Amino acid sequence: GQNIDQPTEMTATEGAIVQINCTYQTSGFNGLFWYQQHAGEAPTFLSYNVLDGLEEKGRFSSFLSRSKGYSYLLLKELQMKDSASYLCAVRVIYNQGGKLIFGQGTELSVKP
Amino acid sequence: EAGVVQSPRYKIIEKKQPVAFWCNPISGHNTLYWYRQNLGQGPELLIRYENEEAVDDSQLPKDRFSAERLKGVDSTLKIQPAELGDSAVYLCASSPGLSSGRAEELFFGEGSRLTVL
Repeated sequence: GQNIDQPTEMTATEGAIVQINCTYQTSGFNGLFWYQQHAGEAPTFLSYNVLDGLEEKGRFSSFLSRSKGYSYLLLKELQMKDSASYLCAVRVIYNQGGKLIFGQGTELSVKP
Repeated sequence: EAGVVQSPRYKIIEKKQPVAFWCNPISGHNTLYWYRQNLGQGPELLIRYENEEAVDDSQLPKDRFSAERLKGVDSTLKIQPAELGDSAVYLCASSPGLSSGRAEELFFGEGSRLTVL
């Protein structure tokens, strides 16, 4: 079966660094995505990893280890606007194409 | 470039009533998805289209849900009759598709929030 696990909620302080972990067990793995979703809004793309290693994009970085079925999203210099749900999603390839399977999301609260 | 457009944004109906949602994907995107997102959960795939063909509808409750994508562009998702447990946000997403050679990032619409009373 397909399984993606991430913490339900996390709290961090403005200006700090936070790491959100994601573990997965899937077949047909073809990449891992992180999405940000503010309350009442659509998920928006943050990062994509298909090879092992770290991808850095401004204040956000994402890491992937395919052998361990593990990824993390690192947020630096936290701002209040970073309070949102962070969704880990695995892309699987099947039936002429692919789909994203999402974890339940990690609700991040950034405190002053 | 216009994003994925969905309507209506909000819908409140009584149980056993029908409801329909509409989605206009990003121009040129061959792949279209309908996801359902319950409160506090991640999106769950209902159906995936490659052009006008539904290539994965294994998670669609076919006794009450139906979907179509005429001419491989716009899509509609219908529920008839609605049940209390159908209250959720219905998200439409599109992507260029594997044939484009690009990483298959999904672009989401703002969603249609359904409340069944």
